[in-house]
Amino acid sequence: KQEVTQIPAALSVPEGENLVLNCSFTDSAIYNLQWFRQDPGKGLTSLLLIQSSQREQTSGRLNASLDKSSGRSTLYIAASQPGDSATYLCAAPQGGSEKLVFGKGTKLTVNP
Amino acid sequence: NAGVTQTPKFQVLKTGQSMTLQCAQDMNHEYMSWYRQDPGMGLRLIHYSVGAGITDQGEVPNGYNVSRSTTEDFPLRLLSAAPSQTSVYFCASSYRRGFGAGGELFFGEGSRLTVL
Repeated sequence: KQEVTQIPAALSVPEGENLVLNCSFTDSAIYNLQWFRQDPGKGLTSLLLIQSSQREQTSGRLNASLDKSSGRSTLYIAASQPGDSATYLCAAPQGGSEKLVFGKGTKLTVNP
Repeated sequence: NAGVTQTPKFQVLKTGQSMTLQCAQDMNHEYMSWYRQDPGMGLRLIHYSVGAGITDQGEVPNGYNVSRSTTEDFPLRLLSAAPSQTSVYFCASSYRRGFGAGGELFFGEGSRLTVL
């Protein structure tokens, strides 16, 4: 059974800092992994979808990597801004199935 | 673009009542799914569908029914509501099953359900 863990549960940084959010998963037989952002009271917004063949994806100040062999993915946020404050979640499929398993998220606060 | 539309946004039920949460997407997405989000438990998959006429169970399917008669709609039915079903429910869809390239998951804004 796939288990997805995100540590830390909360992170507070000053504006302008570069930061890394971590995601680990137990079942490495995955073909892709997704990172999402959730603002309070809102639905999730897809940030990056990484295929196992790509190992890395970039969108603006965001860069996500995927290492299946170690069961880890990281989301790198460059030059953080207060508007980046949100909860960030990662999700991986359970084995080769259509079932997506989510981590519990990291709540990021960027202080001006 | 409407994207994924969920109705209602808020609902209060009494124990034993039934209701249907509606989900519609206008992106011709093949894959649709329902999640519930609870404090400390995160997002958990209830049911999902990979196309019209095809549904399957997720992690927490008990107490919920689904059907997929069209590509656009994927309603979630609570047959006899219980307080344990108090939660925020999210519908999500993806262009591609298996979440391959271009298969990002799109979420609705959520439906907050309280069962008294």
